[in-house]
Amino acid sequence: NAGVTQTPKFQVLKTGQSMTLQCAQDMNHNSMYWYRQDPGMGLRLIYYSASEGTTDKGEVPNGYNVSRLNKREFSLRLESAAPSQTSVYFCASIFDRVRIGNYGYTFGSGTRLTVV
Amino acid sequence: GQQVMQIPQYQHVQEGEDFTTYCNSSTTLSNIQWYKQRPGGHPVFLIQLVKSGEVKKQKRLTFQFGEAKKNSSLHITATQTTDVGTYFCAGAWGGATNKLIFGTGTLLAVQP
Repeated sequence: NAGVTQTPKFQVLKTGQSMTLQCAQDMNHNSMYWYRQDPGMGLRLIYYSASEGTTDKGEVPNGYNVSRLNKREFSLRLESAAPSQTSVYFCASIFDRVRIGNYGYTFGSGTRLTVV
Repeated sequence: GQQVMQIPQYQHVQEGEDFTTYCNSSTTLSNIQWYKQRPGGHPVFLIQLVKSGEVKKQKRLTFQFGEAKKNSSLHITATQTTDVGTYFCAGAWGGATNKLIFGTGTLLAVQP
């Protein structure tokens, strides 16, 4: 059981280049999320998909787009990378509404992105 | 907007000392979760609190949810070097989605 798999693990981009961060989960989870983590800022929600076929903006969506390709996969695209997007990006998933039981998000191992 | 404030930002303790981190929301939460992130790693789920005044324990860790469901705390008794990492709280405000808004985290350093 792989859980949440993110690719690539590391990436260096030049300003203006584009790239797609991939995320896939094999736990049959309905909801998926993209967060970015910067020093002293915690984890900030970029976009999320509550269920297959839906996507919504989070706290910091500018400069990003997402695609919920199917139930397993949720990708994050940077159309024109900027140095301010240098960060660690985490994908996460959860089966259903966070109200019942004692379970939370499962996170991937992250993508460390540097934009120069 | 919805946000969760977390303090302190950093705490350095001697091994064996206790540690507490606090989270606060200006509005009522539907539930709050706690995560631990080891240096260089990814956040790992610890626990979820749902009920007003709820207290849960995991070995040396004690989690509390305030009566008004606006604040929460994590207390570690007799810290060990394995407790090193950043502890995050994450709040949810209900509704049809289950997005979490994370606090800024508390980095715990434990000196042997």
